[in-house]
Amino acid sequence: EPEVTQTPSHQVTQMGQEVILRCVPISNHLYFYWYRQILGQKVEFLVSFYNNEISEKSEIFDDQFSVERPDGSNFTLKIRSTKLEDSAMYFCASSDGGTDTQYFGPGTRLTVL
Amino acid sequence: AQSVAQPEDQVNVAEGNPLTVKCTYSVSGNPYLFWYVQYPNRGLQFLLKYITGDNLVKGSYGFEAEFNKSQTSFHLKKPSALVSDSALYFCAVRDGVDMGRRALTFGSGTRLQVQP
Repeated sequence: EPEVTQTPSHQVTQMGQEVILRCVPISNHLYFYWYRQILGQKVEFLVSFYNNEISEKSEIFDDQFSVERPDGSNFTLKIRSTKLEDSAMYFCASSDGGTDTQYFGPGTRLTVL
Repeated sequence: AQSVAQPEDQVNVAEGNPLTVKCTYSVSGNPYLFWYVQYPNRGLQFLLKYITGDNLVKGSYGFEAEFNKSQTSFHLKKPSALVSDSALYFCAVRDGVDMGRRALTFGSGTRLQVQP
């Protein structure tokens, strides 16, 4: 069964550094998403991406965040200058738009020191 | 704005007994409702969804959920719980009218503990 994959599984970085989180969505899916879950809190939407552009973003997704689909398979989330409060589990998801089911990857745990 | 409430932080049930995990929602248009399960150190795994049609939806691992429009609820149920069902369960909603807005809004999660 096809699945969403994410790398790395755990990323540790210093405050102020840039990080790139990588995702490979399910191959025939058209919509891509990033969510995050701060430890002990609910899952929060960050951004959705369709047809090579952002289709929706939350207020969390400020100028320090960006997304890109650099090729036909990868989908990345870049945090330009990390803050302590960016420490969270980041989930990538994808959907085909038809069934409306979003399938999630296993997540990347980001720790900002 | 859309929102989801899961009123119980934890539900405890004995193995073999029926279980219910509660969810109520608020959305301006037609609700698209989802249940996901999260095992320790794992991602969110899709269980089932309601888009339209029959109010009783069947999903993976014997789980089902009942959509109740008048009570704005979408409770998750299983007739006979297994110890392996112990996990964190999330209800999520999105507005099905606005197809340009696909962001899911999640509840705070309910930890299900099934005792042997």
